[in-house]
Amino acid sequence: GAGVSQSPRYKVAKRGQDVALRCDPISGHVSLFWYQQALGQGPEFLTYFQNEAQLDKSGLPSDRFFAERPEGSVSTLKIQRTQQEDSAVYLCASRFSGRVSGELFFGEGSRLTVL
Amino acid sequence: QQQVKQSPQSLIVQKGGISIINCAYENTAFDYFPWYQQFPGKGPALLIAIRPDVSEKKEGRFTISFNKSAKQFSLHIMDSQPGDSATYFCAASLGSNQAGTALIFGKGTTLSVSS
Repeated sequence: GAGVSQSPRYKVAKRGQDVALRCDPISGHVSLFWYQQALGQGPEFLTYFQNEAQLDKSGLPSDRFFAERPEGSVSTLKIQRTQQEDSAVYLCASRFSGRVSGELFFGEGSRLTVL
Repeated sequence: QQQVKQSPQSLIVQKGGISIINCAYENTAFDYFPWYQQFPGKGPALLIAIRPDVSEKKEGRFTISFNKSAKQFSLHIMDSQPGDSATYFCAASLGSNQAGTALIFGKGTTLSVSS
């Protein structure tokens, strides 16, 4: 596709359920980021992949959050035992190169609501 | 400690007026400063970016002014149009020539341009 694709766009989970959010980056993009955006706030960094290697996971809020990108393209963000505070929009972004000054392209996000 | 502080939180401007959004940062090692625009239900999109070796960058109706000594930068939107109504985020990062450095975002400014 032409842009970053995320699915599902909307997810409602009961507290304690596990969820998986998928990101299809732009083809050929080396760098992939996950951000969390709470209502009315700016995106906050969660984790970064360069190809299949997860180089930075310092933003993951707890060990319930796990991300992978096994073949260096599609990425999945998994949240185990969801809590109400996990409710947010999860944004995936990709960039052609590893250099920060390259443009970062965002998907439309997956909105997670935990009841 | 919030590393990038953005103001105002919201802004109402008449059509044809100038919109000004300000950001201040703490870390003097930051060396890449982009502005992103986000419409409801969409992901952020890069609007314009600047490096600290220049004091101003202009692209069409959008201008970034950068004051390195004050650790501040601002976005000016000239001849504001209703289509500019969106949320604007400033961001910063360090190590722009290194792989994987994440953008740190401000909390956003919601701009409404009245016709």
